[in-house]
Amino acid sequence: DQQVKQNSPSLSVQEGRISILNCDYTNSMFDYFLWYKKYPAEGPTFLISISSIKDKNEDGRFTVFLNKSAKHLSLHIVPSQPGDSAVYFCAADSNSGNTPLVFGKGTRLSVIA
Amino acid sequence: DAGVIQSPRHEVTEMGQEVTLRCKPISGHDYLFWYRQTMMRGLELLIYFNNNVPIDDSGMPEDRFSAKMPNASFSTLKIQPSEPRDSAVYFCASSANVRGVNTEAFFGQGTRLTVV
Repeated sequence: DQQVKQNSPSLSVQEGRISILNCDYTNSMFDYFLWYKKYPAEGPTFLISISSIKDKNEDGRFTVFLNKSAKHLSLHIVPSQPGDSAVYFCAADSNSGNTPLVFGKGTRLSVIA
Repeated sequence: DAGVIQSPRHEVTEMGQEVTLRCKPISGHDYLFWYRQTMMRGLELLIYFNNNVPIDDSGMPEDRFSAKMPNASFSTLKIQPSEPRDSAVYFCASSANVRGVNTEAFFGQGTRLTVV
């Protein structure tokens, strides 16, 4: 059973518009959430994270929103650029348990020029 | 630090052969993870170590898979015998436990395994 779900395998967005990637989780023990970005032939790299004590974290063009009651988080990229085209993985962690990250299946974002 | 280093980058082998994947974690990191990426399952955790000790190997698909970490700077993932369904990209990652809070994991570039 997938504890972290990314229900959209792919997403296409025009350059300059907003990209919204969604992620849902089922485990109430998760209290720290991360987004990783992966280019072809490379390993995933950390992008942005959010703790469960916050509902928003912003870093430049990237903003992550957390809705704990809905067990939902989203990554917003504004404005989207062609270089943002990659696979984005949502991941969740429980700091209290020192457990490994649990990843979703990923969403492939294509930003069209 | 050069980051997490995996070798080989690509491996093509025949069904039934033994395959060994190698990983050098970031110096000072005390957690090491082996993940497998497939289209169907995304990134799935196979096994992880803390201070060279295997903590959870429940993600290892079968007894054909084994992993070792003989010291803090080296780990191997072995598949014996290999099967075509093992074809995937295998990632090694490491992280540090800083004051009881895990940092984000840093990934290697992966080993693309093809079993024919």
